[in-house]
Amino acid sequence: QSVLTQPPSASGTPGQRVTISCSGSSSNIGSNTVNWYQQLPGTAPKLLIYSNNQRPSGVPDRFSGSKSGTSASLAISGLQSEDEADYYCAAWDDSHWVFGGGTKLTVL
Amino acid sequence: QVQLVQSGAEVKKPGASVKVSCKASGYTFTGYYMHWVRQAPGQGLEWMGWINPNSGGTNYAQKFQGWVTMTRDTSISTAYMELSRLRSDDTAVYYCARGRMITFGGVIEQDFDYWGQGTLVTVSS
Repeated sequence: QSVLTQPPSASGTPGQRVTISCSGSSSNIGSNTVNWYQQLPGTAPKLLIYSNNQRPSGVPDRFSGSKSGTSASLAISGLQSEDEADYYCAAWDDSHWVFGGGTKLTVL
Repeated sequence: QVQLVQSGAEVKKPGASVKVSCKASGYTFTGYYMHWVRQAPGQGLEWMGWINPNSGGTNYAQKFQGWVTMTRDTSISTAYMELSRLRSDDTAVYYCARGRMITFGGVIEQDFDYWGQGTLVTVSS
């Protein structure tokens, strides 16, 4: 059971906008920023969004993040086939890091 | 460019120990914490702890306290994660990840900006 709650799956067609939610508590998301990681099949995770809504260099602006209270969201607009991956949210919680259970995004 | 290169796959028997290495290049090894994260087959990510390569100080997740040991060798820019008393449910891919600290909006924030390729550890009798 993950500390941060994500839907196990999400889907969309090419060009659509998809959002993935991440729900936590006052000790993690409510007190700290949220990072998002993208894990393509068979590869290591990659930093996608940091500090709630910042994109590392090289990440397309189709990806955006937001946070409100104890929840966060990742939005992907203009969905592309190469976006099919697992997405994880993460936050600092007191003295340790916690992750969401991951959301498998399928591009139909 | 920043690279984290991990040691190869391991097969261990229950009760044994495993030591995974993570060799860093392309940046000052002692300037960033190194974290270890594992992923069981078909499962999500689980944070295990970090080591400060500069001081050798560590912070382990409560679950792993007493049976994980993180060390480093600054002379070769390599971090190690040793897990003892292995059980079958320790079968997982183990990742090292560089911990970046940035000041954003006056607050120090953290993320894992580079990851190793992962090391599969299989525990089977």
